[in-house]
Amino acid sequence: NAGVTQTPKFQVLKTGQSMTLQCAQDMNHEYMSWYRQDPGMGLRLIHYSVGAGITDQGEVPNGYNVSRSTTEDFPLRLLSAAPSQTSVYFCASLPFSNTGELFFGEGSRLTVL
Amino acid sequence: AQSVSQHNHHVILSEAASLELGCNYSYGGTVNLFWYVQYPGQHLQLLLKYFSGDPLVKGIKGFEAEFIKSKFSFNLRKPSVQWSDTAEYFCAVNGGSYIPTFGRGTSLIVHP
Repeated sequence: NAGVTQTPKFQVLKTGQSMTLQCAQDMNHEYMSWYRQDPGMGLRLIHYSVGAGITDQGEVPNGYNVSRSTTEDFPLRLLSAAPSQTSVYFCASLPFSNTGELFFGEGSRLTVL
Repeated sequence: AQSVSQHNHHVILSEAASLELGCNYSYGGTVNLFWYVQYPGQHLQLLLKYFSGDPLVKGIKGFEAEFIKSKFSFNLRKPSVQWSDTAEYFCAVNGGSYIPTFGRGTSLIVHP
């Protein structure tokens, strides 16, 4: 059971470049989400999804897009990377039957120059 | 709306010292409460959780937390920390929605 898988683990971008962080889970969880983690700021929710075809914004959605075409996948797209998007990104999922325990991926460290 | 406040941002202890990390939440209804731990370079893992029942919850690695409803608190405790407990600790609350809200985290450093 792979759980939540994120790729890539590390990425360096130049300002203005675009990229996609991939997230896949094999646990058939309805809910998936993306967080960014910055020193002293904790975890901040970027976008989330409650099922295929449904997405919504979290606390810090600007500069990011998501889609949920399948239950398993929830990619995060940076349209035009900015240095302020340098961060560690975590994908997390949970089943609605589980009363809220999140399962996290290993994280993706992104540096924007 | 739900919110979480962690009072201690950085804690430095010596091995065998006792630990208590504060967590207060704001939400008017029934809540589920969590503590997650993030070891250096790793992702977050669940340490313990409270859904209902006994307000004293025991988790992995000797950690426990007590839910005090009247104080809206869910403090994390460990009687004797080890060097391997060096990590970042996050409190989280899940109230009316399935979307948990995280505190800003507490960085714990344990000196051998």
